[in-house]
Amino acid sequence: AQSVTQPDIHITVSEGASLELRCNYSYGATPYLFWYVQSPGQGLQLLLKYFSGDTLVQGIKGFEAEFKRSQSSFNLRKPSVHWSDAAEYFCAVGLNYGGSQGNLIFGKGTKLSVKP
Amino acid sequence: KAGVTQTPRYLIKTRGQQVTLSCSPISGHRSVSWYQQTPGQGLQFLFEYFSETQRNKGNFPGRFSGRQFSNSRSEMNVSTLELGDSALYLCASSLMGTGGGNSPLHFGNGTRLTVT
Repeated sequence: AQSVTQPDIHITVSEGASLELRCNYSYGATPYLFWYVQSPGQGLQLLLKYFSGDTLVQGIKGFEAEFKRSQSSFNLRKPSVHWSDAAEYFCAVGLNYGGSQGNLIFGKGTKLSVKP
Repeated sequence: KAGVTQTPRYLIKTRGQQVTLSCSPISGHRSVSWYQQTPGQGLQFLFEYFSETQRNKGNFPGRFSGRQFSNSRSEMNVSTLELGDSALYLCASSLMGTGGGNSPLHFGNGTRLTVT
């Protein structure tokens, strides 16, 4: 069965430090991959997406992610974290059932705390 | 362009009652998906509607149902509420379908349902 694993439940980084959030997926074909961010009391905002082509994708708010097929990974990175990045981050896999786009399977999320 | 609008933001219901949640997608989006978010299970796919037809369904009991109207607005209904139905219910819209192609999901801020 398809699945998404985010190994880190909670990460704390200092403001200005670099960040990497891990995501591994299990899926037979090349998936559509997404990172979403959720602030308290809010819905999910799309940070970036990967469908095909260049394996390094750029997103909003200075985030990037790299698709590594050999490792079934799609890790999210940011070179310098800002206090406003504190939120919960979700990795997701989009499945494609024939003509339908299917649904998203989400990881359990990684909560990011930022120290001043 | 207005985002995805979900009403109401908060609901408190009693076990055994039923509830209807509403979602207005981004203008021009034809697909509406519903997700349940709980601390224990995370984000789980309920169903997707496209052009008034249910296209995909997650693994939820028949008490959970939905529909989509000709203007793409969607409603979700939960009958015979149970304590375990307490959750944040998120609606997401996309141009053509959940996750695939160039039509990623755009989420609303959710409806927080509490069942007592």
